[in-house]
Amino acid sequence: DTAVSQTPKYLVTQMGNDKSIKCEQNLGHDTMYWYKQDSKKFLKIMFSYNNKELIINETVPNRFSPKSPDKAHLNLHINSLELGDSAVYFCASSPDYRYEQYFGPGTRLTVT
Amino acid sequence: AQSVTQPDIHITVSEGASLELRCNYSYGATPYLFWYVQSPGQGLQLLLKYFSGDTLVQGIKGFEAEFKRSQSSFNLRKPSVHWSDAAEYFCAVGAAAGNKLTFGGGTRVLVKP
Repeated sequence: DTAVSQTPKYLVTQMGNDKSIKCEQNLGHDTMYWYKQDSKKFLKIMFSYNNKELIINETVPNRFSPKSPDKAHLNLHINSLELGDSAVYFCASSPDYRYEQYFGPGTRLTVT
Repeated sequence: AQSVTQPDIHITVSEGASLELRCNYSYGATPYLFWYVQSPGQGLQLLLKYFSGDTLVQGIKGFEAEFKRSQSSFNLRKPSVHWSDAAEYFCAVGAAAGNKLTFGGGTRVLVKP
């Protein structure tokens, strides 16, 4: 019973391509997030959705676009991939914005 | 703006010895504080959290943390470390609105036999 799942686990692609990462949670939570972890393990929030509505949008390039088709899913689409996008991307969810977050296993994106 | 500092990048501890990881935060109101652990190649697992009330909080895997408002600290402790505790540990502070988590830079714990 995976609580927060992400697909794919690994993604290797070339510069300029467009790719998507999918996230699903089966916890019944209202709020979902995307975080980026760089090569030095530094974690930074990118986006947050509450009941399919965008509530946090950090200073992320427009090439990154989150989409929440329903409360249980939050996908991340990245256009025109650049070398600097290489990182591990984590999805997380919480019951609502006031509570602890539960993280998925991460997607390691490598742009060559 | 909120921020978190974990002063120790690496800590090496012998198996069976005690462990303390330091965390200092900066936040204007009452913080929501968390400790997460990340094993190699894995996601983040919540160890414990502080929202209010008792300043000594117990978590999973035998960990505890103490919130000290006067020192803006939320240090994590474990009395006796096991080899399986080798991992990266992250302290995080959450804002009241939107629960944007701000993470510290992490502390890597190595456990010697």
